[in-house]
Amino acid sequence: GENVGLHLPTLSVQEGDNSIINCAYSNSASDYFIWYKQESGKGPQFIIDIRSNMDKRQGQRVTVLLNKTVKHLSLQIAATQPGDSAVYFCAENMFSGGYNKLIFGAGTRLAVHP
Amino acid sequence: NAGVTQTPKFQVLKTGQSMTLQCAQDMNHNSMYWYRQDPGMGLRLIYYSASEGTTDKGEVPNGYNVSRLNKREFSLRLESAAPSQTSVYFCASSEGRRGGETQYFGPGTRLLVL
Repeated sequence: GENVGLHLPTLSVQEGDNSIINCAYSNSASDYFIWYKQESGKGPQFIIDIRSNMDKRQGQRVTVLLNKTVKHLSLQIAATQPGDSAVYFCAENMFSGGYNKLIFGAGTRLAVHP
Repeated sequence: NAGVTQTPKFQVLKTGQSMTLQCAQDMNHNSMYWYRQDPGMGLRLIYYSASEGTTDKGEVPNGYNVSRLNKREFSLRLESAAPSQTSVYFCASSEGRRGGETQYFGPGTRLLVL
């Protein structure tokens, strides 16, 4: 929404550069991790996911890295474009209480400059 | 496929008024969710429905009720709106498999309570 990200950390990059967005997660029992992109006025949009038995997964221009030792997740965007400007959220999944519980991070704003 | 749809897009209420937020999905998903998003706080789960016919409280259920009308539709009701319920509300759905899965989000309803 319009007010999403008022106090979010911001990553500013030049168009064409690579971007790395980091996320620390909280629960060692989390078995699945997702990165979402949220543009102003829109809902979160799935980008890429990774299961806990993997440490790297690649998509189109995006790569997610998982370090379970330090509970850290990162999203790498290659050749960043103006259309990549958005707020990015990581989410960790736990199956608890009979449902898949998603715990979201606070988000990072990515600003791409021409 | 429209995915997840929500109505209305915007709503202004006075304190004490009631309203129902509507959500529908056309992906034949079993599980549906209602979140609220406040500045700097990410998304917080209000209620969820693991499958048709069941609903359960999430992290912040107070002041809300839900109805899983059928497999496609999951509504959120505010019986007596309060200014603290000013937020952006997102509906999401997922297949409902155990062990980690993606949730798909609607475009959101922006609610202002005066």
